[in-house]
Amino acid sequence: NAGVTQTPKFRILKIGQSMTLQCTQDMNHNYMYWYRQDPGMGLKLIYYSVGAGITDKGEVPNGYNVSRSTTEDFPLRLELAAPSQTSVYFCASSYDSWAYEQYFGPGTRLTVT
Amino acid sequence: AQTVTQSQPEMSVQEAETVTLSCTYDTSESDYYLFWYKQPPSRQMILVIRQEAYKQQNATENRFSVNFQKAAKSFSLKISDSQLGDAAMYFCAYYFGNEKLTFGTGTRLTIIP
Repeated sequence: NAGVTQTPKFRILKIGQSMTLQCTQDMNHNYMYWYRQDPGMGLKLIYYSVGAGITDKGEVPNGYNVSRSTTEDFPLRLELAAPSQTSVYFCASSYDSWAYEQYFGPGTRLTVT
Repeated sequence: AQTVTQSQPEMSVQEAETVTLSCTYDTSESDYYLFWYKQPPSRQMILVIRQEAYKQQNATENRFSVNFQKAAKSFSLKISDSQLGDAAMYFCAYYFGNEKLTFGTGTRLTIIP
């Protein structure tokens, strides 16, 4: 049981490039989330999904896109990377709602230069 | 939007001693959920303890316990017999109804050997 896995662990992008952060969970959780964590700060919600085919914006969605074609996968797409997107990105999942424990992945450290 | 305040950016405690991390939140609701998450230097966040507001009894998990003061909107985390492995960032979080999980800005806990 791997839990929540994220790839890659580290990435350096040039301004204007695009990339997809992968997230997979093997716990059959309905809810999945993407957060970003800037240095010394808490977590900010980017997007979330309550089930396959359903996604919604969080607090800071600009510059990102998501899709949820399966229960297991929830990729985050960065279009036209900007230095402001330099951050650590965490994917998480929970069983059925926000009230349940969220299981986090190990994170992706992204630098945009 | 709800707010969660962690007024102690950093705390330190001697190994084997007890430390209390504070958290206050703003809500007009009566039935909600509160969480403490731990983020060790490896960065993967894990749940420490969860409290349902309608339960009067304070949640405990081994050496971790909370002091939940509903009227005061306070949710402090007590760590007893502190161990080196307790060194981490600790985040308090709040959830109600159809809103999203709201995190505080975190408290960095250092354990002094």
